[in-house]
This record gives sequence, structure tokens and C-alpha cells, in this order.
Amino acid sequence: GENVEQHPSTLSVQEGDSAVIKCTYSDSASNYFPWYKQELGKGPQLIIDIRSNVGEKKDQRIAVTLNKTAKHFSLHITETQPEDSAVYFCAAPALHKVTFGIGTKLQVIP
Amino acid sequence: KAGVTQTPRYLIKTRGQQVTLSCSPISGHRSVSWYQQTPGQGLQFLFEYFSETQRNKGNFPGRFSGRQFSNSRSEMNVSTLELGDSALYLCASSGDYLDTQYFGPGTRLTVL
Repeated sequence: GENVEQHPSTLSVQEGDSAVIKCTYSDSASNYFPWYKQELGKGPQLIIDIRSNVGEKKDQRIAVTLNKTAKHFSLHITETQPEDSAVYFCAAPALHKVTFGIGTKLQVIP
Repeated sequence: KAGVTQTPRYLIKTRGQQVTLSCSPISGHRSVSWYQQTPGQGLQFLFEYFSETQRNKGNFPGRFSGRQFSNSRSEMNVSTLELGDSALYLCASSGDYLDTQYFGPGTRLTVL
């Protein structure tokens, strides 16, 4: 089955700095890669996703890059703000099943 | 559009009991997936339903079961509860499995 590895598990950055979270996946058939943000007491919310026909996608301060050859994809958050503090999950859907990374707890220090 | 709703939000049970959790997907969504979230294991896939059919199942014992109704609402059932079943149970809906999944707020189950 699909295996998704995510790191780091925790990340502390100063407000205004950038944060990068990386994931690797095992199933070369995967072609859709979403990223979720989970705040305390809430379910995960999609923040950005990328499909395998593109290498990078940006949405304001958030970007995702994909390297299909190396089977890894990364989340980049620039100009971090305290409200970015949350747990972030990468995911790799396979046949009728989505495998999530273990999660990265991001803390943005004011 | 209303989001994914899950009921109840919190539940306390004792070992050996059974529990049923409910999920109402976003209107028009036919795929419903269930996940168990614990601090040590992260988000673990339980099963996925599409048009009342279970299309995939995760590595959980048979005590975990689910179903989906014709209106796409879904329920999951856990029988003979164990302490280790304490977790946040999340439901997510989508048009199909490669579409964006939208999560509900979850049901926090505590087994005493």
C-alpha cells in the first residue's frame, strides 16, 4: 500500500520567516497531492493541492512543489504569521483510500 | 453549502459497549471516508463508501464497521469498545476519491 513519510514532526519559526514541510510517497501511480491544516478542535481543512501535471502551485503565501521523479512534494509558507500555527498534513490518495503523513506541528513565534 | 456535519461531537463510553457515529456529507457528495485520529498514529484510514458501496477498508479489526445510505449519509459502528479506541473520528466527503476531501469537525470518543 501507499506509504507517506512527513518531516519534520515539529517546526518552530519566528514570525515573518519561512517554513518548509516535506513529504515522500511510495506509490508512483499517485497523481494528486493535497495539504491540510488542522487547528485545535477542528477537522483538517484543505489549504492547497497539486496534480502531477504541474511542478509548482502558489496561493498567496503558500506554495507546493512536486518532484515526481524523486516522489516527494513540499509545502512552503512564506512570511509566517501567528495564525499559521497549526498541524499540517500531507496526503497521497491511492485507489479509494487516502494515506496521510504523520503531521507537522508548526509554531510561529511572535 | 453546508459543510460536513458529524454527530455527536463528544461521546463517553465504557469498555465492552458499542457506539454509532453519524456523518452527513456536503450536498451532492457521494464519497464518504472515515478516519481515526490519535496522537501517536496520526490519521488512519478506516473505510470509504461511494453510492452505498464500501470500496476500500483500512487495517482495522472487524469491530469497526460502517454503512452508507441512499442519501449519502454514513454511519460507523464500533462494537465491544476497548480503551485503545479512544480517538477523534473524522468523516470526510468528496465528489469522488480524487476530488478535494472536506472534513467534518469530528467525534471525540472516550472509552473508560
